[in-house]
Amino acid sequence: QAQLVQSGAEVTKPGASVKVSCKASGFTLTTFGIHWVRQAPGQRLEYMGWINAGDGRTQYSQNFQGRVTLTRDTSASAVYMKLSSLRSEDTAVYYCARQSLTILGVWEVWGQGTLVTVSS
Amino acid sequence: QTVVTQEPSLTVSPGGTVTLTCTSNTGAVTSGHYPNWFQQKPGQAPTTLIYSTNNKHSWTPARFSGSLLGGKAALTLSGVQPEDEADYYCLLHYSDNWVFGGGTKLTVL
Repeated sequence: QAQLVQSGAEVTKPGASVKVSCKASGFTLTTFGIHWVRQAPGQRLEYMGWINAGDGRTQYSQNFQGRVTLTRDTSASAVYMKLSSLRSEDTAVYYCARQSLTILGVWEVWGQGTLVTVSS
Repeated sequence: QTVVTQEPSLTVSPGGTVTLTCTSNTGAVTSGHYPNWFQQKPGQAPTTLIYSTNNKHSWTPARFSGSLLGGKAALTLSGVQPEDEADYYCLLHYSDNWVFGGGTKLTVL
């Protein structure tokens, strides 16, 4: 059964960086793209960006350009989301979600989410 | 700035039918926006119900269907069950970017 398993909750300070992992289970990561989405408490889902886990190409939402970096480690079957220059407004649950590389627009399974709390 | 709009809240009776819509401020929603629909229950991650306008995943209950309706993307629930009470989000694709709608809180009452 295909699953995305994310790393545990993080508490960090303003100005710091956080790195969240998303590990593939039950499927070959390199045949998919991975999106990242966040949700602040009580708020809507917000799109952050995407990595092609096959060739490592990335695309970022303008709202996060320059602050977010997506990477992959194929040997670990994992992708990583690093968000820098954190501020309190970045407190949110961060999700990864799988998309087919062969057919555009097919969002599939989601990770369980990782709560990131930014607080001094 | 691209804005995707959904009804903030809707109420439906058990066994009834309800249609949620998804509107783009750039114009009519088409299949080229690859509309996706997600269900999210409190404290849980979203699950994908519909992709590319009207396609269901293997786990999507038959009572959910997607379509294009009058320039909008639409999600119709037929024979609503109490467990369908949740937040529903649409997602549209624009030139290498994706934008979520604000979500619809569906109450089954």
